Amino acid sequence: GAGVSQSPSNKVTEKGKDVELRCDPISGHTALYWYRQRLGQGLEFLIYFQGNSAPDKSGLPSDRFSAERTGESVSTLTIQRTQQEDSAVYLCASSPRGRGTSGYEQYFGPGTRLTVT
Amino acid sequence: AQSVAQPEDQVNVAEGNPLTVKCTYSVSGNPYLFWYVQYPNRGLQFLLKYITGDNLVKGSYGFEAEFNKSQTSFHLKKPSALVSDSALYFCAVRDLYGQNFVFGPGTRLSVLP
Repeated sequence: GAGVSQSPSNKVTEKGKDVELRCDPISGHTALYWYRQRLGQGLEFLIYFQGNSAPDKSGLPSDRFSAERTGESVSTLTIQRTQQEDSAVYLCASSPRGRGTSGYEQYFGPGTRLTVT
Repeated sequence: AQSVAQPEDQVNVAEGNPLTVKCTYSVSGNPYLFWYVQYPNRGLQFLLKYITGDNLVKGSYGFEAEFNKSQTSFHLKKPSALVSDSALYFCAVRDLYGQNFVFGPGTRLSVLP
């Protein structure tokens, strides 16, 4: 079946512009996560959605970052007034279940490589 | 708070030799433990997980991992390394109550021919 998809795969933008990144989770997955990965580094948690519950935004680095998700479908991550330090790969993952007793793993998309010039 | 440590930034091993990538964790209660692999310019792929039961877990591509509760470790192993195993490996933990996943910093594995 289809996995997690992300678009665009690559995005080059000028400093100060806004960007929108899209994630399509696996159908039926209630949990959705966004991560940032700088070159050669580990994963930095950004935000987590679980069904219709309030999202966990504790990882968003500044108020320039926001994300939305309608129900259990597509999510968009928006970065306003992009800065050069925002350059990274943005990874999305979904999971069949979120909070609660869950041993389900995450399924990752291929990522969006963002370059801010 | 949950945390994961991968004490080695880089592991080098000769093809055909056994490999170990180390992971230790800290979590309240019983953990759910995961290993992921990231090949160049790709997303993360799930390798294996420990939820409960046997401490030795077998996963994809011939990898296995051993859960050691007393040492709070979950080291990834493979009996015979392949050059194609060269990648970035991440350990992750999630506590019993399904809080967010916490990832380690990653270990880069290089298998030399």
